[in-house]
Amino acid sequence: KAGVTQTPRYLIKTRGQQVTLSCSPISGHRSVSWYQQTPGQGLQFLFEYFSETQRNKGNFPGRFSGRQFSNSRSEMNVSTLELGDSALYLCASSQDGRSGNTIYFGEGSWLTVV
Amino acid sequence: ILNVEQSPQSLHVQEGDSTNFTCSFPSSNFYALHWYRWETAKSPEALFVMTLNGDEKKKGRISATLNTKEGYSYLYIKGSQPEDSATYLCAFPVNNAGNMLTFGGGTRLMVKP
Repeated sequence: KAGVTQTPRYLIKTRGQQVTLSCSPISGHRSVSWYQQTPGQGLQFLFEYFSETQRNKGNFPGRFSGRQFSNSRSEMNVSTLELGDSALYLCASSQDGRSGNTIYFGEGSWLTVV
Repeated sequence: ILNVEQSPQSLHVQEGDSTNFTCSFPSSNFYALHWYRWETAKSPEALFVMTLNGDEKKKGRISATLNTKEGYSYLYIKGSQPEDSATYLCAFPVNNAGNMLTFGGGTRLMVKP
């Protein structure tokens, strides 16, 4: 069974640009969530999607957005990139997002903003 | 904002030593407690999801216990091996409807051969 797949794995963008990251959850999983990892802040929750609807949202500015498609694949977008957006972005999936479900993570997308 | 704390921040042990670390979380509105192992350049690996007070779970040489009334969980590694070197994270769901996890800062374990 394939795990959570994220693309691209590494990318470099210029300040002011926008970026889209993609996540394919484990087959059959309907909940997809996104996290940001920075050295100073640790793992921070961005948002979660379930059945194409945003169900939970973390404390990030509106430049961070996401969506989920009918096949449960998800994308997140960051507009008007800032240097501080340089981070590892992790995607995670679970069957239906209930708190007792095991949550599986992808390897992440490393974003560098220059 | 939920506060999930882990201690110690880092730990150096010799191969063969047994070790344990702590995760502290709010004891009110408990839903579950997740443990992960995160090796450099890999994805965080789910170790345990603990839901009931008094839960004890085991996976090979790694085990975990849960006390929801006092708000802590212990992770134990018996006979540490160099391949156990990783960051161990605990995470606490903010609510019962979704995957919104608050993570602790992690315990970085280094096992010397």
